[in-house]
Amino acid sequence: GQQLNQSPQSMFIQEGEDVSMNCTSSSIFNTWLWYKQEPGEGPVLLIALYKAGELTSNGRLTAQFGITRKDSFLNISASIPSDVGIYFCAGPIGGADGLTFGKGTHLIIQP
Amino acid sequence: NAGVTQTPKFQVLKTGQSMTLQCAQDMNHEYMSWYRQDPGMGLRLIHYSVGAGITDQGEVPNGYNVSRSTTEDFPLRLLSAAPSQTSVYFCASSPRLGFYEQYFGPGTRLTVT
Repeated sequence: GQQLNQSPQSMFIQEGEDVSMNCTSSSIFNTWLWYKQEPGEGPVLLIALYKAGELTSNGRLTAQFGITRKDSFLNISASIPSDVGIYFCAGPIGGADGLTFGKGTHLIIQP
Repeated sequence: NAGVTQTPKFQVLKTGQSMTLQCAQDMNHEYMSWYRQDPGMGLRLIHYSVGAGITDQGEVPNGYNVSRSTTEDFPLRLLSAAPSQTSVYFCASSPRLGFYEQYFGPGTRLTVT
């Protein structure tokens, strides 16, 4: 099946730093989604992207739909403690009506 | 609106036991789905439904059954639990088929011994 590769697997940053993470696929996607999951909770949608080259912001978060349609990027500016969590990229599964997820990027903010 | 609700929050089963994980949504969404989340694996689609009376298999359907008798409810059944089904299970919904922005429930953590 389709695989989404996320990097980095984890990030240890200081409060106030900017964060960048990405997601790549061997297949073309028509939609990219970015979710955040906090401990003991379900994933929460952050940003949805529908068009190659699209750049969309949600507060301090900005995501881009790569021109090749095989990658997407998420940036967080001026990180704060509540940004801690696991960030997942996701896209439509080929052959079934649901989402395929990357393995996530763990964001840890050091005091 | 409560959104997507799941019960129970935690469950421990013995191998071979059966149980049903409950999922309900009050947003009148046509599409509902079940995922499992294992450490280091992300979320994987088990089954989904595009409306009452219609269900289909996802990526990892073996060992699970579903039915959709109402728009609101989409239960997941384990007929004979196995240790490999130890996981966190999430239910999700979206307004319709092809609308990929899915809303997730809080999850059920299942342990099979």
